[in-house]
Amino acid sequence: QPVLTQSSSASASLGSSVKLTCTLSSGHSSYIIAWHQQQPGKAPRYLMKLEGSGSYNKGSGVPDRFSGSSSGADRYLTISNLQSEDEADYYCETWDSNTRVFGGGTKLTVL
Amino acid sequence: EVQLVESGGGLVQPGGSLRLSCAASGFTFSTYAMSWVRQAPGKGLECVSSISPNGDGTYYADSVKGRFTISRDNSKSTLHLQMNSLRAEDTAVYYCAKIESAAGLNYWGQGTLVTVSS
Repeated sequence: QPVLTQSSSASASLGSSVKLTCTLSSGHSSYIIAWHQQQPGKAPRYLMKLEGSGSYNKGSGVPDRFSGSSSGADRYLTISNLQSEDEADYYCETWDSNTRVFGGGTKLTVL
Repeated sequence: EVQLVESGGGLVQPGGSLRLSCAASGFTFSTYAMSWVRQAPGKGLECVSSISPNGDGTYYADSVKGRFTISRDNSKSTLHLQMNSLRAEDTAVYYCAKIESAAGLNYWGQGTLVTVSS
């Protein structure tokens, strides 16, 4: 089954940009993933679907500041013009016919 | 507007049982697969179970296999999770989520807390 690896933490300044990475395990580099945001004390929120080609489709109401890109087994979430409300945990998700897995999550701090 | 509302969480003793429910609205429930995802205190997300649109296909994480049973009532747009032989490590917030084919879990409920403790 696929495994997703994320850095445990990241930080960036208010108004700047940050790029979070989710890496697919060997043999699964073509997999589609999804990105989710979880603000403190809240349920996760779907951000987007991201394909290996770099094509992405965002969920309803997701601001333009959020975008996705890909390179090989790496899937990226870029947040531009960081706002205080972007301080959250970010999880990537993938699936196959037998399972659904999440990365360990990245805690983003907005300085 | 898609809404998923979980209920049924609470405090239960080790070895006990609990049944979670998720009331869905705002979409054609019978045409979508659904999942239960849990989050232990301070930890990440774990998909514990999923079910196909008509209920004939199910998935369970190894951590709950043989103890949890997922089911759905399409006539009532409701998803269930029957949890038996509960353990302390099952303590978590349990979320109901809608599966969008080839796109991930695109809607989440607000979650219900299950605490397993004596």
